[in-house]
Amino acid sequence: QVQLQESGPGLVKPSDTLSLTCAVSGYSISSNNWWGWIRQPPGKELEWIGYIYYSGSTYYNPSLKSRVTMSVDTSKNQFSLKLSSVTAMDTAVYYCARKRDSGSYDYWGQGTLVTVSS
Amino acid sequence: DIQMTQSPSSLSASVGDRVTITCRASQSISNYLNWYQQKPGKAPKLLIYAASSLQSGVPSGFSGSGSGTDFTLTISSLQPEDFATYYCQQSHSSPPTFGQGTKVEIK
Repeated sequence: QVQLQESGPGLVKPSDTLSLTCAVSGYSISSNNWWGWIRQPPGKELEWIGYIYYSGSTYYNPSLKSRVTMSVDTSKNQFSLKLSSVTAMDTAVYYCARKRDSGSYDYWGQGTLVTVSS
Repeated sequence: DIQMTQSPSSLSASVGDRVTITCRASQSISNYLNWYQQKPGKAPKLLIYAASSLQSGVPSGFSGSGSGTDFTLTISSLQPEDFATYYCQQSHSSPPTFGQGTKVEIK
């Protein structure tokens, strides 16, 4: 059974960098899939942040590209997200998910709420 | 970016009702359209991919149709566990974008 689990600080100060990790179990991150990050501000719709391949190739949402960095650690079967210079607008539940060839996301983490506040 | 517009934004229905949700893309996306169900405090769950393909494990009461710019998600007979918010997502062009959601509530 494929499982994803996000981890990281739940509170980040404005202008700091948000850092999250997604641990994958039951499936090799080095298999032929891209691994994505998606966020959802409270009460709002979903927003795609970007995705990464096990080789390190990445695609980012242009609206966030200047602040986003994703990385992968195949030895730990996990991938990570960094979002710099955060503001209150970055407060959201952050999800990691597995992308399929169709572009759909079939396995998701439970999500982690990150609040940006001083 | 391709804009995805769902209608209605919310609806009230009874158990056993047939429910249809519409998703319209701002430009043609062929069949690159996916549907998700989200319950409060939970991650989205993939229901339909490629406009009409049922994800493994999803009840057959869910179906999807459409191509180009207009798509529908149909629940043939609403069950108590189907009360949730539904989102469409286009995967034709980057960045992938989601609709604003349709909340299905109990009448």
